Amino acid sequence: DQQVKQNSPSLSVQEGRISILNCDYTNSMFDYFLWYKKYPAEGPTFLISISSIKDKNEDGRFTVFLNKSAKHLSLHIVPSQPGDSAVYFCAASAGNTGNQFYFGTGTSLTVIP
Amino acid sequence: EADIYQTPRYLVIGTGKKITLECSQTMGHDKMYWYQQDPGMELHLIHYSYGVNSTEKGDLSSESTVSRIRTEHFPLTLESARPSHTSQYLCASRDTRGPGELFFGEGSRLTVL
Repeated sequence: DQQVKQNSPSLSVQEGRISILNCDYTNSMFDYFLWYKKYPAEGPTFLISISSIKDKNEDGRFTVFLNKSAKHLSLHIVPSQPGDSAVYFCAASAGNTGNQFYFGTGTSLTVIP
Repeated sequence: EADIYQTPRYLVIGTGKKITLECSQTMGHDKMYWYQQDPGMELHLIHYSYGVNSTEKGDLSSESTVSRIRTEHFPLTLESARPSHTSQYLCASRDTRGPGELFFGEGSRLTVL
């Protein structure tokens, strides 16, 4: 059973607008969450993370929000740029030294110029 | 800057061949991982290692094997490749100290005919 879910396979946004990518999880033991960006035929690159002791983390144009009660996190990209077009994966782990990260199936973001 | 390298980037081989996918990192990370990913699917953990001479199987059953003789090197071997092994294989590493993201290589795209 999938523990991390990204229910939107794709998203299209106009350049300059906000992109919101969503992720849900089922395991209440998860306490560390990450977002990765992936281009075709390349490895994922780390974007931003959040610990369960926070509900928001911001890095430049990227902000991640965590709602523990809803077991939901979201990635906001403002303003969206054409270079942001890629597949975005969320991932979660339990424990600071958790060996396994559980990944969602990804959301393909297209930013239209 | 992540320094983790995978070779080959692309490989097309016939059924029954033995192949080794190479992965090296120069960050001194103890933890290393192999993930398998198909388009539109999540990343599945197939092997991981805590350090030298430590290897474990991940959640996804795999006919591949791994070894960890040196900290920086974590090769994956398929003794007899089959078309069902066609996939992208992603190597990653992580610093053991505290929470931290996975650093990924660029991936090896394997096609078995």
